[in-house]
Amino acid sequence: QQQVKQSPQSLIVQKGGIPIINCAYENTAFDYFPWYQQFPGKGPALLIAIRPDVSEKKEGRFTISFNKSAKQFSLHIMDSQPGDSATYFCAASKSSGTYKYIFGTGTRLKVLA
Amino acid sequence: AAGVIQSPRHLIKEKRETATLKCYPIPRHDTVYWYQQGPGQDPQFLISFYEKMQSDKGSIPDRFSAQQFSDYHSELNMSSLELGDSALYFCASSLSRRVEQYFGPGTRLTVT
Repeated sequence: QQQVKQSPQSLIVQKGGIPIINCAYENTAFDYFPWYQQFPGKGPALLIAIRPDVSEKKEGRFTISFNKSAKQFSLHIMDSQPGDSATYFCAASKSSGTYKYIFGTGTRLKVLA
Repeated sequence: AAGVIQSPRHLIKEKRETATLKCYPIPRHDTVYWYQQGPGQDPQFLISFYEKMQSDKGSIPDRFSAQQFSDYHSELNMSSLELGDSALYFCASSLSRRVEQYFGPGTRLTVT
């Protein structure tokens, strides 16, 4: 059973578009939600993360929206560029204890030039 | 900035052989996590260490073992390899009691 559900599986947008990737979690004990970007053959790189005490966080062109009551969070990429083409993973963790991450299934994003 | 180092980057083994993967965390990081990522799949947590002690265990087969050494590097030992063990193995490190994890480039293990 996938504890963190991610959609869509793949996404194609034009350069300058705003791709949106959605994640939903089940365990209300989760209180740390990072997003990772992964290029083929590379390790996941931490992009941005959010905790449930805020509803939105921005870092550069990346924005996380968080809906605690719906147990959902989303990644928005503003002014997307071909270099953003990668696989994006959301994850969830408790911020106490051992901090192991539960990942979503990933979204393969392609930004067309 | 220094990153997580993993070696080897690629490894080819035959069925029933053994493999050892190494992870060198970011300097001053004392916590190490191991994840397995199958083709087209999300990373799955295997095991973690904090201050050289096992701190959590996930879906790690009994054929696998791991440890963290006094310099905080970690090794994942895999025995009786099976075809299904072919995957990318990532190590991540974090600073004690902080939830942010930083991933290494991974070791691609191919079992033939």
